[in-house]
Amino acid sequence: QKEVEQDPGPLSVPEGAIVSLNCTYSNSAFQYFMWYRQYSRKGPELLMYTYSSGNKEDGRFTAQVDKSSKYISLFIRDSQPSDSATYLCAMSVTGTYKYIFGTGTRLKVLA
Amino acid sequence: DGGITQSPKYLFRKEGQNVTLSCEQNLNHDAMYWYRQDPGQGLRLIYYSQIVNDFQKGDIAEGYSVSREKKESFPLTVTSAQKNPTAFYLCATYRDVNTGELFFGEGSRLTVL
Repeated sequence: QKEVEQDPGPLSVPEGAIVSLNCTYSNSAFQYFMWYRQYSRKGPELLMYTYSSGNKEDGRFTAQVDKSSKYISLFIRDSQPSDSATYLCAMSVTGTYKYIFGTGTRLKVLA
Repeated sequence: DGGITQSPKYLFRKEGQNVTLSCEQNLNHDAMYWYRQDPGQGLRLIYYSQIVNDFQKGDIAEGYSVSREKKESFPLTVTSAQKNPTAFYLCATYRDVNTGELFFGEGSRLTVL
């Protein structure tokens, strides 16, 4: 079993829809949770960063962490065609060098 | 502007040749990483360095080498011993191990002909 599981998609939604992207993990020591957006042939861009449990909101984006279920989510409200990209989740343990990435979910927002 | 600069963006190599990918940062971050990205496999760690003149192997270090002579620079050499070098290579940094945020460069695409 992989430490981090992420559905590869592709996920296609109409413009304006609410998008839900998810990752599950098995290591209960993870404390930092990140979401990255990656456009084709570009480096990943850090979207959201959460420490421990709870929710964090930034504009149209909301990140949720449920440590009891080992489940994290990224919600995108009022999705736009410019949101079409691959979304990667990533996790790490405090005080270590190691980051574990999901394989990424490819999102297409249709105009 | 502060950031991470990778070069070249695209590189073609013949089999048997070594190539070096450049990564320079002006963020004054301590740690630097090299990842390899292949379709459907996520990011895999090649090497990382937490301080100058020190670096550690990651999960897939075979066929690669690095150096960290300056805080700003962490070049990656893909040697002829790497059996399947065609991939997208990403350099990343973080400020310190307790903040958790990892920042990436724009990547270098290596194709072996």
